[in-house]
Amino acid sequence: GQQLNQSPQSMFIQEGEDVSMNCTSSSIFNTWLWYKQDPGEGPVLLIALYKAGELTSNGRLTAQFGITRKDSFLNISASIPSDVGIYFCAGPSDSGNTPLVFGKGTRLSVIA
Amino acid sequence: ETGVTQSPTHLIKTRGQQVTLRCSSQSGHNTVSWYQQALGQGPQFIFQYYREEENGRGNFPPRFSGLQFPNYSSELNVNALELDDSALYLCASSSTSYEQYFGPGTRLTVT
Repeated sequence: GQQLNQSPQSMFIQEGEDVSMNCTSSSIFNTWLWYKQDPGEGPVLLIALYKAGELTSNGRLTAQFGITRKDSFLNISASIPSDVGIYFCAGPSDSGNTPLVFGKGTRLSVIA
Repeated sequence: ETGVTQSPTHLIKTRGQQVTLRCSSQSGHNTVSWYQQALGQGPQFIFQYYREEENGRGNFPPRFSGLQFPNYSSELNVNALELDDSALYLCASSSTSYEQYFGPGTRLTVT
């Protein structure tokens, strides 16, 4: 089945630094979604991408839909402590029933 | 606009018991999906309901079943609980196919 690979698995950064993480797949996706999950909470949708090459921002967050349609990137600028959490990429599966396939997440820790 | 709500927040059950989890979808959303999230993993799709009909199912056994009601709220039922069923169960609602909005989840512990 389809798999999404996220890297890095975890990262520790200083407050104020920029962050970059990515998500890759062996198959093509027509939609990429980025979610953030805080401990004990459900994932919150950050950005949705629908077109190859698309670059979309949401505040300090910027995500890009890779040209090959097999990858996506999420960047966070000027990180702050509340950016701590797990970031998941997701996309619709090819099963035809439109469930989302998720990566295993990138755990972000911010050191003040 | 009311977001997705789930109940209960936490639940402890014994192996072999049955459990029912509940979800109210975001207003205006007619599709509800259920996911299981084990510790350290991404959510895994269980099944989806659209207008009270099951509209897709992941790789979960038949003891995982569900319902959707006319007001688009939903239930997840799990029979014959196993220790491996311990997880965070997430409900997500949507109106378009792909942008799904999640509730806070129900933490199920099976002992």
